[in-house]
Amino acid sequence: DAKTTQPPSMDCAEGRAANLPCNHSTISGNEYVYWYRQIHSQGPQYIIHGLKNNETNEMASLIITEDRKSSTLILPHATLRDTAVYYCIANYGGSQGNLIFGKGTKLSVKP
Amino acid sequence: SQTIHQWPATLVQPVGSPLSLECTVEGTSNPNLYWYRQAAGRGLQLLFYSVGIGQISSEVPQNLSASRPQDRQFILSSKKLLLSDSGFYLCAWSLAQGASAEAFFGQGTRLTVV
Repeated sequence: DAKTTQPPSMDCAEGRAANLPCNHSTISGNEYVYWYRQIHSQGPQYIIHGLKNNETNEMASLIITEDRKSSTLILPHATLRDTAVYYCIANYGGSQGNLIFGKGTKLSVKP
Repeated sequence: SQTIHQWPATLVQPVGSPLSLECTVEGTSNPNLYWYRQAAGRGLQLLFYSVGIGQISSEVPQNLSASRPQDRQFILSSKKLLLSDSGFYLCAWSLAQGASAEAFFGQGTRLTVV
């Protein structure tokens, strides 16, 4: 599986957009980019995933560069409840895949 | 809808005692199942995953073992716990088929070995 690198921590003001970067320069053509988050003392929560195209759902948007070597997770209007560790994972998915979590980015949303 | 159950939520066990954590999934068939561990202040570490009954892959050598006696049941065990086994244990499942498959996690078991 491709390794990903993320900044260890980020701050964001409440109500502003949070943009979380992820580098995955060794990603292979059939690996997806997944984002999860983990709020303290809870199990990780799936946020979004994509292959080539940008994706949007009710939680976030995922922007993947054309060369697929990096991506950005966007929380359009961060709230205090979005404070969590955010994990970016490159993975095949399906029966081939198992998720390998790195250290993630600790996002702190401040009032 | 699919749900995942993991128990107990917290557990305190003495060193050298056995361990059995159970995870069950409802509402789906033939899922991929996973056990993760998160030590205090650290990221998630994949311990075991299973693509079917009786099929277990181990990612990290240790004194833990896993079994899948039924399609939607995944058990994490140890014969003798070590202090270093303390941590937050998470069970997860994902669809076995399909081009992409997000994983769904249980609420975890916080194990303290004393």
